[in-house]
Amino acid sequence: EADIYQTPRYLVIGTGKKITLECSQTMGHDKMYWYQQDPGMELHLIHYSYGVNSTEKGDLSSESTVSRIRTEHFPLTLESARPSHTSQYLCASRSGDRTEAFFGQGTRLTVV
Amino acid sequence: LAKTTQPISMDSYEGQEVNITCSHNNIATNDYITWYQQFPSQGPRFIIQGYKTKVTNEVASLFIPADRKSSTLSLPRVSLSDTAVYYCLVGDRGYSTLTFGKGTMLLVSP
Repeated sequence: EADIYQTPRYLVIGTGKKITLECSQTMGHDKMYWYQQDPGMELHLIHYSYGVNSTEKGDLSSESTVSRIRTEHFPLTLESARPSHTSQYLCASRSGDRTEAFFGQGTRLTVV
Repeated sequence: LAKTTQPISMDSYEGQEVNITCSHNNIATNDYITWYQQFPSQGPRFIIQGYKTKVTNEVASLFIPADRKSSTLSLPRVSLSDTAVYYCLVGDRGYSTLTFGKGTMLLVSP
């Protein structure tokens, strides 16, 4: 089983609130990724990191930000949540020399 | 980044073999081909990876012709629980960004 964890699993929050979605992995992977996925739709890469203090924006423009202060931790923050942010957010990690990525269970975010 | 093309959907029946083909015409020398499976409301799960010829594991087989411009994921004797979206990704082992396309929605019926 993959050791990558996302919290919370479900979150309902009001418009304008600041939220942080947590993602942690215990596999020592250097590469980590955040994806956004709506039901029945494809995964969109919104952020990725190749290691500590390395963060890049992905293919889909996102109002979220990420940080990578520790290898195992890659949190995603929305400064001011809006209903358009309602979606599932998936975190993944992989080792630098392998193509196999491991995904967390996801956070289903609803902004009301 | 090599772009991939897969059928949007496929239908099958329990017990049949299913072959899903992915085209990747501009695959690079260092690129590997990786397939993932995704069930609703879950993250994708790695199935198989290959570079050339044939790879087989306990779940599937992956066939890659000599020119590597396509690949075929083969699922033997599918069951209802194989109903999922299957993604083909192409990238190197280094700094590829794991870009997922639309995938193939496989529906297995009784």
